[in-house]
Amino acid sequence: RKEVEQDPGPFNVPEGATVAFNCTYSNSASQSFFWYRQDCRKEPKLLMSVYSSGNEDGRFTAQLNRASQYISLLIRDSKLSDSATYLCVVILYNQGGKLIFGQGTELSVKP
Amino acid sequence: GAVVSQHPSWVICKSGTSVKIECRSLDFQATTMFWYRQFPKQSLMLMATSNEGSKATYEQGVEKDKFLINHASLTLSTLTVTSAHPEDSSFYICSARVDRSPMRTEAFFGQGTRLTVV
Repeated sequence: RKEVEQDPGPFNVPEGATVAFNCTYSNSASQSFFWYRQDCRKEPKLLMSVYSSGNEDGRFTAQLNRASQYISLLIRDSKLSDSATYLCVVILYNQGGKLIFGQGTELSVKP
Repeated sequence: GAVVSQHPSWVICKSGTSVKIECRSLDFQATTMFWYRQFPKQSLMLMATSNEGSKATYEQGVEKDKFLINHASLTLSTLTVTSAHPEDSSFYICSARVDRSPMRTEAFFGQGTRLTVV
């Protein structure tokens, strides 16, 4: 089983749609969680951290469920500029603080 | 946020030659850096963890004699791909971890290096 698994995608949605991505992690020692965005042929950029109580940043909402070991990202009112690959990342503190990436979920927002 | 500078951004080399990729933290000290490789349409795969002043820790399946990592200072880590072959062609990217507080960690990435071996 992979340490971090994401929805396979790709997601093709119209502008204005709401889309949700899920990510599961296998290591219960994982303590920090993030969503990164990666545009084609570019480096990943931090979208948002994920806190236990859930957090929101504009149109983006992240949630964490420790009992079920999954995190989610909700994008409301999607824009064309949201088209990218979204990467779920966990930090394994019991393994030297390694950042482990999910395989990414590709989102394509169409006019 | 913190800035990580990676150089070169792209390189083409002949089979059998070696290529060095540099990763610098510009405005902070990075005791730990990570090196990743990404093939097209795939995720970033951790290759090794680079610790300042000590040997790198390699992930399973990554040849340490082929991918030489040196972290001689708190601001510089290098990855050298030795005797490169076409199958080493990939996107290599470094990341520095910044521990803001015991439970608040952020990661900052270099711009990545696209290596093509011909």
